[in-house]
Amino acid sequence: EAEVAQSPRYKITEKSQAVAFWCDPISGHATLYWYRQILGQGPELLVQFQDESVVDDSQLPKDRFSAERLKGVDSTLKIQPAELGDSAMYLCASSLAGPGLWGTGELFFGEGSRLTVL
Amino acid sequence: SQQGEEDPQALSIQEGENATMNCSYKTSINNLQWYRQNSGRGLVHLILIRSNEREKHSGRLRVTLDTSKKSSSLLITASRAADTASYFCATVGFSGGYNKLIFGAGTRLAVHP
Repeated sequence: EAEVAQSPRYKITEKSQAVAFWCDPISGHATLYWYRQILGQGPELLVQFQDESVVDDSQLPKDRFSAERLKGVDSTLKIQPAELGDSAMYLCASSLAGPGLWGTGELFFGEGSRLTVL
Repeated sequence: SQQGEEDPQALSIQEGENATMNCSYKTSINNLQWYRQNSGRGLVHLILIRSNEREKHSGRLRVTLDTSKKSSSLLITASRAADTASYFCATVGFSGGYNKLIFGAGTRLAVHP
């Protein structure tokens, strides 16, 4: 069964360091999402891609976070420099339909990347 | 920002009992989805109900949607210890030129053997 792949599963870093997360969506899924989930809360959308284009990055702290999806397949989320408040689970998801009138259907999530900033 | 608000925040029941979780939202939606998350894992899609549907079933799951009250409920019948997880509702609405999916804060369900 096709899955969304994420790495690393766990990352411990010191504040002010750079950190990067990678996501490979299910083949053929045009839409890719990065969510941040703080312990005990629901996932919050950071950035949404349609193919290689950013559809929504309104909640992405652009002074320290960046995301790219070159060639419209896999994606990287980077934080530089990391701060204590960035400790969270970073979830990647993909969906078959685009963000137009007939999306969003079901999202398929990876297992997440747990970040701890010391 | 989270649109859906789940109630209760936490629920503890015995195996065999039914579990009901509620979700309220504020703006008009195209569909509403329920997801499950085991501790430390990713989310898994459970069921999607469209705005023109009132009830949907999938195995031991029953979802209702009342668009006039802007609310939905998820019922898990004959619960099992393996149902222990967090459950999130997610609303899909049209905003800024595209459909946007927003999660609520979730209900943490504990099912005791």
